[in-house]
Amino acid sequence: EVQLVESGGGLVHPGGSLRLSCAPSGFTVTDNYMTWVRQAPGKGLEWVSVIYSDETTYYADSVKGRFSISRDNSENTLYLQMDSLRIEDTAVYYCARMGDFWSGYLHYSYGLDVWGQGTTVTVSS
Amino acid sequence: DIVMTQSPDSLAVSLGERATINCKSSQSVLYSSNDRDYLAWYQQKPGQPPKLLIYWASTRESGVPDRFSGSGSGTDFTLTISSLQAEDVAVYYCQQYYSTSWTFGQGTKVEIK
Repeated sequence: EVQLVESGGGLVHPGGSLRLSCAPSGFTVTDNYMTWVRQAPGKGLEWVSVIYSDETTYYADSVKGRFSISRDNSENTLYLQMDSLRIEDTAVYYCARMGDFWSGYLHYSYGLDVWGQGTTVTVSS
Repeated sequence: DIVMTQSPDSLAVSLGERATINCKSSQSVLYSSNDRDYLAWYQQKPGQPPKLLIYWASTRESGVPDRFSGSGSGTDFTLTISSLQAEDVAVYYCQQYYSTSWTFGQGTKVEIK
């Protein structure tokens, strides 16, 4: 079965750090674009960051310079290192897989087809 | 960044009736190299992660009931639930993955009237 399991959430003080992990089963983190999406309490979805198959990374402006996405190919794990945390970073953090494939020389992405259950990050003094 | 704007923010529809949600992007999300709109729709029920319903604006994900359909291209998109069922009560989000900075709409809450 294809699934994602996040871990690493918790309570942290403003200015602190936390590292989230996301472990897939049924596929490898190098096969697809992998992303983090968060949801503040009672709010909508906010895209946070993505790492492409070639390890190119992109970030939302709200976390740029504070968060870092990475992966460990040998451990088959996705990470989100979160530094200089702010109260407004409080959210459920989901990792998700972007489904994609190649047809000849054309690349097709088709949406976030696998999601984890989420891990809760609370930033509070 | 591409801004995604959904309308309405919420709607109440009677069981068996049609529900229509609109999504407008601030710029085109049509990927010219493969002629696909990089626009997806997700359904999120309370306490659950989002679920992919529609991708490329109009392609239904495997296992999604055919009462869900998507339409539109370029900057204007629509999600339609042709005959609302009780289990469709949820928040629905559109998302563009065209740019290097992906963005979601603010969400539309669908309830039973």
